[in-house]
Amino acid sequence: DTGVSQDPRHKITKRGQNVTFRCDPISEHNRLYWYRQTLGQGPEFLTYFQNEAQLEKSRLLSDRFSAERPKGSFSTLEIQRTEQGDSAMYLCASSLGPTDTDTQYFGPGTRLTVL
Amino acid sequence: AQSVTQLGSHVSVSEGALVLLRCNYSSSVPPYLFWYVQYPNQGLQLLLKYTSAATLVKGINGFEAEFKKSETSFHLTKPSAHMSDAAEYFCAVIAGTYKYIFGTGTRLKVLA
Repeated sequence: DTGVSQDPRHKITKRGQNVTFRCDPISEHNRLYWYRQTLGQGPEFLTYFQNEAQLEKSRLLSDRFSAERPKGSFSTLEIQRTEQGDSAMYLCASSLGPTDTDTQYFGPGTRLTVL
Repeated sequence: AQSVTQLGSHVSVSEGALVLLRCNYSSSVPPYLFWYVQYPNQGLQLLLKYTSAATLVKGINGFEAEFKKSETSFHLTKPSAHMSDAAEYFCAVIAGTYKYIFGTGTRLKVLA
């Protein structure tokens, strides 16, 4: 069990640029989640995949954000035309399923800084 | 709607003293409750989880938490603080969905 991995760990970009983050869940976990954590706050839910299907998107996820999980394995989160307000830690988590209350295991996060 | 309130954004204890981190929840359905710990620049690590099987839940690193429905609380305790316990702690609730609702966190400082 290698845990959830995320890449890159840190990303610094200029406002208006596009960025993409990758998450590799624990193998055999069919549920994958993205959260965003800003300074001094707890993580907030962004989106949820069950296998390759994106089943829910938070209102926090504006149309500049898109997430995919092709083939139900790794996932990517893309932010287009980044804004300074997008600066945050982006956390990925996975769970085995099939129940909603299964423990979610978190990756180390990608810290995004938008200049 | 579910919510979690963590009282005290910063808590300081002496090494060897009792650790008490407070969490109160609000939920219209029976909740599942979690405590996670986050070390600097790292993700969240599960400490313990309440799933209605037992009200006193024991977790890793000597931590435990007690679910009290009458007080809508799920406070985290550890009898004796260690320097390595210094971190940020998050309480979270799931109630009826898969989405974690997190509190704003409590930063624990352990004094030598």
